[in-house]
Amino acid sequence: AQSVTQPDIHITVSEGASLELRCNYSYGATPYLFWYVQSPGQGLQLLLKYFSGDTLVQGIKGFEAEFKRSQSSFNLRKPSVHWSDAAEYFCAVGAGGSSASKIIFGSGTRLSIRP
Amino acid sequence: NAGVTQTPKFRILKIGQSMTLQCTQDMNHNYMYWYRQDPGMGLKLIYYSVGAGITDKGEVPNGYNVSRSTTEDFPLRLELAAPSQTSVYFCASSGTGALRQPQHFGDGTRLSIL
Repeated sequence: AQSVTQPDIHITVSEGASLELRCNYSYGATPYLFWYVQSPGQGLQLLLKYFSGDTLVQGIKGFEAEFKRSQSSFNLRKPSVHWSDAAEYFCAVGAGGSSASKIIFGSGTRLSIRP
Repeated sequence: NAGVTQTPKFRILKIGQSMTLQCTQDMNHNYMYWYRQDPGMGLKLIYYSVGAGITDKGEVPNGYNVSRSTTEDFPLRLELAAPSQTSVYFCASSGTGALRQPQHFGDGTRLSIL
């Protein structure tokens, strides 16, 4: 069975600084990988996804993530954060070719932005 | 374009009471999901549906029931509310094709069982 770990519970970065949120997964084959963002009081929004092909994936709102098989990681990055990026970020992993029941969410990383 | 709409937004129940959390989507999506989110945790799948008349259990289905009589609606029923069901509940949907991850979420229903 697959699993996903987000090692950082809470991160604070200054506005304009770069950002990297960590995500590590465990799965025997090539996984499906996702990043979601949740603003306070709202549902999740899909930022980006990796299924196959190019390991550097571009998403919405200027985010990107890189799949590194050797490190079992799928870290989320943004070159310059904005105050509006303050939110909770969830990494998720799915087993290839399967149904929604196989998608597992991490426990999330809360991002705060320092003015 | 409303997307995924959940009602109510907040509810307090007494132990043993029952209620239905409503979810409707206007995107003609076949896939719909119910998740619960406990404090400091990621989402856990309760039930999902791949189309009208078809539902299946997720990771944590005990204490819940669902039905899918139309493409638009996917209500979640709690029959005998228990304190362990205090959580935030999210409904989500996604279209057909190979991408089966939930793509559109409602704003959630915050449920407290006292």
